Amino acid sequence: DGGITQSPKYLFRKEGQNVTLSCEQNLNHDAMYWYRQDPGQGLRLIYYSQIVNDFQKGDIAEGYSVSREKKESFPLTVTSAQKNPTAFYLCASSKLPGQANTEAFFGQGTRLTVV
Amino acid sequence: GENVEQHPSTLSVQEGDSAVIKCTYSDSASNYFPWYKQELGKGPQLIIDIRSNVGEKKDQRIAVTLNKTAKHFSLHITETQPEDSAVYFCAPHGGATNKLIFGTGTLLAVQP
Repeated sequence: DGGITQSPKYLFRKEGQNVTLSCEQNLNHDAMYWYRQDPGQGLRLIYYSQIVNDFQKGDIAEGYSVSREKKESFPLTVTSAQKNPTAFYLCASSKLPGQANTEAFFGQGTRLTVV
Repeated sequence: GENVEQHPSTLSVQEGDSAVIKCTYSDSASNYFPWYKQELGKGPQLIIDIRSNVGEKKDQRIAVTLNKTAKHFSLHITETQPEDSAVYFCAPHGGATNKLIFGTGTLLAVQP
């Protein structure tokens, strides 16, 4: 089945640790995105990528880092510099804007909790 | 950058009533206008979309209408059912930026 997969579903982090969230897609999409969602809030864009080995900061990139070494993969690292990392993280992929059918497909999310 | 707002932020209706959610955007170059539904603890899923060469699109109980001149588009749900209860997001794009920005979200509660 084609789709986008995030792992793990739940993640616990001690203060001061870096953690990496995985996002893999087999939809052959060029664009991939990471969002943060706090309880009762909307989706805030962290980073996005349109092509391998290139990515851009979103609206809340501080304390996060990404890489795009393969078209299928876009991992997100939550660093110790992120002061309030507890949230629900969503990864998405789509064709590039301007192409037909630019629907965004989302993973099931990773719920990160700092303990 | 693109500014996307939704109204209302919360909406409570009785089962069988209609619901309308409006999305206002700032990038006049946007040419793709989707609506997503997010159920609790899950990622959003596309429910309906429209492109800038069409003013209205309908799919069973849901419809989307577009007013490009005024830069807004709306989601219409008729004969609402309890399973329509969710958070709905708009995400207009295709304009000057490649960023995919979502609206502020609308929590719809359908009371049985």
